[in-house]
Amino acid sequence: GAGVSQSPSNKVTEKGKDVELRCDPISGHTALYWYRQSLGQGLEFLIYFQGNSAPDKSGLPSDRFSAERTGGSVSTLTIQRTQQEDSAVYLCASSRAGGAETQYFGPGTRLLVL
Amino acid sequence: GENVEQHPSTLSVQEGDSAVIKCTYSDSASNYFPWYKQELGKRPQLIIDIRSNVGEKKDQRIAVTLNKTAKHFSLHITETQPEDSAVYFCAAYNNNDMRFGAGTRLTVKP
Repeated sequence: GAGVSQSPSNKVTEKGKDVELRCDPISGHTALYWYRQSLGQGLEFLIYFQGNSAPDKSGLPSDRFSAERTGGSVSTLTIQRTQQEDSAVYLCASSRAGGAETQYFGPGTRLLVL
Repeated sequence: GENVEQHPSTLSVQEGDSAVIKCTYSDSASNYFPWYKQELGKRPQLIIDIRSNVGEKKDQRIAVTLNKTAKHFSLHITETQPEDSAVYFCAAYNNNDMRFGAGTRLTVKP
């Protein structure tokens, strides 16, 4: 079946602009995660959605970052007033359920803030 | 919160040799430990995982061991091949929180 998809694959923006990144999880997966991966670095947890529960936002680095998940499926990660240090690959992952389940990653969105 | 340390950061082996990557974690409540392989410019792909009620798991040339007492787990790749070259990430999961190691860049020389 179809895997996790993300769009856009690449995004170049100017400092100060807002950006929206989209994630389509695997159909039927109730858990959705956003991670950030800076060049040559590991994955940094940002936010977690489980079904209709309130998201775990503990990883969001600042109040410029927000995310929502409409209808328990598609998720958007919004970064307001982008800064150069926001440049990274943003990865989305979904799993069948919350808890210790295998996470399947999307291809990522490569964000470059000039 | 959980803290995952991964070593070494780079590893170079000759084709056919074994490779071992080690991770330690801090939260004894962590109960799920996946390993991901990430090729250049590609998404991380799960290669093997282990849960806290198991000490060892093997899948062909790949094995993972878990020592809960010492809070460390290791990835073992035997008979390495050039296509094993990639960055490998370990992770520890507890209570909706997945923490990743910083990654190991494995190079297998033909």
